[in-house]
Amino acid sequence: SQQGEEDPQALSIQEGENATMNCSYKTSINNLQWYRQNSGRGLVHLILIRSNEREKHSGRLRVTLDTSKKSSSLLITASRAADTASYFCATEGTSGTYKYIFGTGTRLKVLA
Amino acid sequence: NAGVTQTPKFQVLKTGQSMTLQCAQDMNHNSMYWYRQDPGMGLRLIYYSASEGTTDKGEVPNGYNVSRLNKREFSLRLESAAPSQTSVYFCASSDLATNEKLFFGSGTQLSVL
Repeated sequence: SQQGEEDPQALSIQEGENATMNCSYKTSINNLQWYRQNSGRGLVHLILIRSNEREKHSGRLRVTLDTSKKSSSLLITASRAADTASYFCATEGTSGTYKYIFGTGTRLKVLA
Repeated sequence: NAGVTQTPKFQVLKTGQSMTLQCAQDMNHNSMYWYRQDPGMGLRLIYYSASEGTTDKGEVPNGYNVSRLNKREFSLRLESAAPSQTSVYFCASSDLATNEKLFFGSGTQLSVL
């Protein structure tokens, strides 16, 4: 079974609006990462947050992590049509195996 | 730099045929990974290699074998392809000592008839 589950599975918003997607995971983690995938291409790394961090920013991206709830959220502010993609969270467990497990993804569509 | 290069990009096999998917990275990364992506399932880890000379099973290793040929190359072999192995396969690499993020190849679309 997969470690992460993203919510919602699909999201459609207007350009300029904010997009929020959530990731829940099952076991303790070292860090959590978010990736973007355009049209079936390879994934591109967006941001990494460590288990001892609660919030992190990168440009229009804001990531939060709540280890007590085993959940993370990705906020994209002032969305653009170019943000249309699938977004995945990935977790690395505390065992130090370097084994990255991905969630099922959120498909975001930004309408111009 | 090319990053992570996968070959072939597309492949059609008949049930029972064998093939090897190739992956090479030119970033001097220690760790390499093979994932498969099916509709609605996200990415699932097949095998990974934390460093040259080591390989470990991921979430869905059955039906696959891997070889970490050297630091640059990590191949995935299907000995007897089955229709359930129809998927898009992604190779990734990472330098866990410095930045931990994964760099992905562009994928191999495999169909098993």
